[in-house]
Amino acid sequence: DAKTTQPNSMESNEEEPVHLPCNHSTISGTDYIHWYRQLPSQGPEYVIHGLTSNVNNRMASLAIAEDRKSSTLILHRATLRDAAVYYCILRHAGGTSYGKLTFGQGTILTVHP
Amino acid sequence: EAGVTQFPSHSVIEKGQTVTLRCDPISGHDNLYWYRRVMGKEIKFLLHFVKESKQDESGMPNNRFLAERTGGTYSTLKVQPAELEDSGVYFCASSQVWGGASGNTIYFGEGSWLTVV
Repeated sequence: DAKTTQPNSMESNEEEPVHLPCNHSTISGTDYIHWYRQLPSQGPEYVIHGLTSNVNNRMASLAIAEDRKSSTLILHRATLRDAAVYYCILRHAGGTSYGKLTFGQGTILTVHP
Repeated sequence: EAGVTQFPSHSVIEKGQTVTLRCDPISGHDNLYWYRRVMGKEIKFLLHFVKESKQDESGMPNNRFLAERTGGTYSTLKVQPAELEDSGVYFCASSQVWGGASGNTIYFGEGSWLTVV
């Protein structure tokens, strides 16, 4: 499986934007870039995904580099409820393993009041 | 709409005993997955059902683990006999048919915490 690299931790202040980076230099053409987050004592929660173009939804934005070797999850205005572990995951679109998400260590985001 | 529900939320059993975890996916979701996080490790994929068929069971650790999804609705994950290293949290997840924006989202339950003593 293609691997992703994320910083272990990041900090932000409430109401400020947060940019969470992810490197995935071995990404293949059929890999989607997914972001999930896990709040304390909960299961992972889908945040956003993309293939080549930048994506926006109500939770966040995803900026994908032109060569697709890196991406950035953008939280436009961090709130205390955004404190979580954020996972950048490559999900293979083809074959029998399309349901398999390979979780790494993720980035622990701390949001300060 | 109800999310993915798992039962029990917490379970404490003795080494050698049997535990059965149950997962009810979101209604209409053909895809059902099991993941787990054991102590100090990352979340790991166990297996994937499409309706009642096992699509990918490459993550099942050994033959002490048995997953079923009779009728393509709810699923059970049985651990028999349980060992100390099986302690952790077991997540179930589900998704619609692959393809399209909605099919790309995998929804997770809150997990079943298993402690083997």
